[in-house]
Amino acid sequence: DAKTTQPTSMDCAEGRAANLPCNHSTISGNEYVYWYRQIHSQGPQYIIHGLKNNETNEMASLIITEDRKSSTLILPHATLRDTAVYYCIVGYSSASKIIFGSGTRLSIRP
Amino acid sequence: SAVISQKPSRDICQRGTSLTIQCQVDSQVTMMFWYRQQPGQSLTLIATANQGSEATYESGFVIDKFPISRPNLTFSTLTVSNMSPEDSSIYLCSVGQTGNNEQFFGPGTRLTVL
Repeated sequence: DAKTTQPTSMDCAEGRAANLPCNHSTISGNEYVYWYRQIHSQGPQYIIHGLKNNETNEMASLIITEDRKSSTLILPHATLRDTAVYYCIVGYSSASKIIFGSGTRLSIRP
Repeated sequence: SAVISQKPSRDICQRGTSLTIQCQVDSQVTMMFWYRQQPGQSLTLIATANQGSEATYESGFVIDKFPISRPNLTFSTLTVSNMSPEDSSIYLCSVGQTGNNEQFFGPGTRLTVL
């Protein structure tokens, strides 16, 4: 499986956009980029995924570079409830096993 | 979506004993997985639970230590055998469905071994 690199931690002011980067330089042509988050004491939660095009849903936006070697997860208006560890994952299908990296610990400050 | 329950939610066990964790899903699913999350760490995949056949284990995990059953498409168990304090972790099951882009995770079982 391709590996991802994320910053260990980030912080963001409440109400501002949180931009979480991820490098996946060895991603193969058919692999998707998935984002999950884990709020303290809970199981991970799916956020969004994409292949080539930028994607948006009710939770977040995903921007994938043209060469697909990196991506950015955007939480447009961060709230305190967005404080969590965010995992960037690459894989062929979300039904396949997920190999988690270390993730980014995002702290939202009031 | 899939709703997943795990039993027990937490347990405190003595060294040398075994604990079986149950994972129940509210619908039939293609894939079921077991993960371990040690304190302060990310999730590590233990194995893929295969319906009707032996589980597929990741490097560093063996069947004798973590036997897994999956008798049908909605249920799986993970046993942590001959426990030591190093087995103190949160154990999570997750499910995936072919054609569905989300993988759903259970709430986890918090295990403390004394």
